[in-house]
This record gives sequence, C-alpha cells and structure tokens, in this order.
Amino acid sequence: AQSVTQPDIHITVSEGASLELRCNYSYGATPYLFWYVQSPGQGLQLLLKYFSGDTLVQGIKGFEAEFKRSQSSFNLRKPSVHWSDAAEYFCAVGALNTGGFKTIFGAGTRLFVKA
Amino acid sequence: NAGVTQTPKFQVLKTGQSMTLQCAQDMNHEYMSWYRQDPGMGLRLIHYSVGAGITDQGEVPNGYNVSRSTTEDFPLRLLSAAPSQTSVYFCASSRQGGQPQHFGDGTRLSIL
Repeated sequence: AQSVTQPDIHITVSEGASLELRCNYSYGATPYLFWYVQSPGQGLQLLLKYFSGDTLVQGIKGFEAEFKRSQSSFNLRKPSVHWSDAAEYFCAVGALNTGGFKTIFGAGTRLFVKA
Repeated sequence: NAGVTQTPKFQVLKTGQSMTLQCAQDMNHEYMSWYRQDPGMGLRLIHYSVGAGITDQGEVPNGYNVSRSTTEDFPLRLLSAAPSQTSVYFCASSRQGGQPQHFGDGTRLSIL
C-alpha cells in the first residue's frame, strides 16, 4: 500500500514571494500523483496531476509540480504567491491495491500569505 | 451541472443513533469514495467503490458501511454513532480509479 507525507503542517510566505510545498510518497512503483487545494469550508479542487511522461507538470492558477523518482517526491511550486492562494494544500497518491485503485491523501499543508 | 451532491450539509447526532450520509453524482463515474477529514490528519479513506455492486475498505472503515446499488449513488451508513466519528465527510467520484476526483462540498457531522 502507498503512503504520503507532507512534512510541513503550515507555511507562511509573503505575497509575491516564491512557494514550494513538499510531498514525499512511498510506493513500490510509479504512482499517480495529485495536488489538491481546499479553501475554508469548501471541497477539494484539483490543481494538477502526474501519471507519466514529462516530470514537470503545469496546473491551474500558475502552479507546477516536479516528480522526482529518486527522491520519491512531488513538490508543488509557484513563482509568485498571491493573497488568494492562502488555503490548505493536499498531496495525494493513487495506486492499484489488491482491492482496487486507492487514492490516499497527505495530512495537508496550510499556506498563510502575509502582505 | 450538479457534479457530486452530498446531503445533509450539517447534522448533529446523539451517541448510538444511526444515520445515512447521501452522495450522488451525475457524471456517470464508475469510481466513488468516502473520506473523513479531521484536523491535522488530512483526508482518510473510509470506503470506496470501483463500480455498481463492488465496494472495498479504505484506511478507516470501522463503524461505517457502504453499498453501491447504482452507479449514481454511494451512501455511507453509521450504524451506531460514536463521538470519535465527529468529522467532516467528503464524497468523491472519478471516471475510473487513477483519474482526478471530483469532490462534494462535505457533510459536517457532530456526535454528542
């Protein structure tokens, strides 16, 4: 079975600064990788996904993520953060298990943006 | 486009009561799942279904039952509610396993 670790419970960045949110996974093969964002009181919205191919993937709202097999990582980045990016971000790993396909989420990283 | 619809949005139960959280999707998605979200723990998979008539357990299945009699509906049943089941519950669906999931708006459940 797979597992996901998001080492940072919360991160604070200044508006306009760059952002990197960390995600590490554990799985024997290359899994399906996702980043989702959740605004307060809302459900989750997909930012981007990686299945195969180019290891640098582009998503919505100016986000990108890079899959690094050697480090078992899928870190999310944004070159310039806007105040509206303040939210909670979840990394998720999908993989085939004996009972079928499962998607497991990390504990989340809450992003605070200061003016 | 309704997407994934969860009802109710809020519910308060007493310990020992039973309840069904409803989830319906209108996208003809085969894959559906239930998660609970607790502070500091992210979303934990309760049960999931890869198609009508097929369900399986996730990470935290104890205390919950599911069934999938149609493609559209995937209800979650609490047979005897416990305070530890106080949480926000999210239902999600996708075209198939491995595809990005569409989430409902959640059901906030409090058990006294």
